[in-house]
Amino acid sequence: AQTVTQSQPEMSVQEAETVTLSCTYDTSESDYYLFWYKQPPSRQMILVIRQEAYKQQNATENRFSVNFQKAAKSFSLKISDSQLGDAAMYFCAYRSAGNTPLVFGKGTRLSVIA
Amino acid sequence: DVKVTQSSRYLVKRTGEKVFLECVQDMDHENMFWYRQDPGLGLRLIYFSYDVKMKEKGDIPEGYSVSREKKERFSLILESASTNQTSMYLCASSLTDPNEQYFGPGTRLTVT
Repeated sequence: AQTVTQSQPEMSVQEAETVTLSCTYDTSESDYYLFWYKQPPSRQMILVIRQEAYKQQNATENRFSVNFQKAAKSFSLKISDSQLGDAAMYFCAYRSAGNTPLVFGKGTRLSVIA
Repeated sequence: DVKVTQSSRYLVKRTGEKVFLECVQDMDHENMFWYRQDPGLGLRLIYFSYDVKMKEKGDIPEGYSVSREKKERFSLILESASTNQTSMYLCASSLTDPNEQYFGPGTRLTVT
């Protein structure tokens, strides 16, 4: 079974600085998808960014970008120019090809210091 | 925008009660999911459904059942609530392709 590991339970970053959240996964499959979800305090979980394993180019969404290292099975999230609104729980998730559920990591709580 | 709603934000029930958690999505999504979220454990999949009247067990189905009589609605049932089922419950839905999940606001259930 696939597993997703987020080794940093908590992180903090100064406002306007850059922070990187780590995620590794274990799979024997070659075709899959990876996601980062954000859960602000007392608010709904929302998708931040997604990456298809067959794409070599790292996905970017405004201030959010990923470093996808397929051979190393690593999928880190970089947040640039951190803002107070970035404070949240961040979950890394994996999905196999086909119509299968997501497998989530345990999350990283990010604090942003003004 | 996709909207996933859950019947209650907060719920307090007594041990042994039958508990219904309702989830409704308005975007004609085929797939629906129920997770529970606990500190330090992340999200764990309870049940999911790919179509009306279909259900699949997730990682932690014990003590739970589900019902999907209509495409837009997916219910989670705790037949006899226990204190170890105190948790945050999240519902999500998605199309088959692309399989991006949209989440509801969650129901924080306390069983006393």
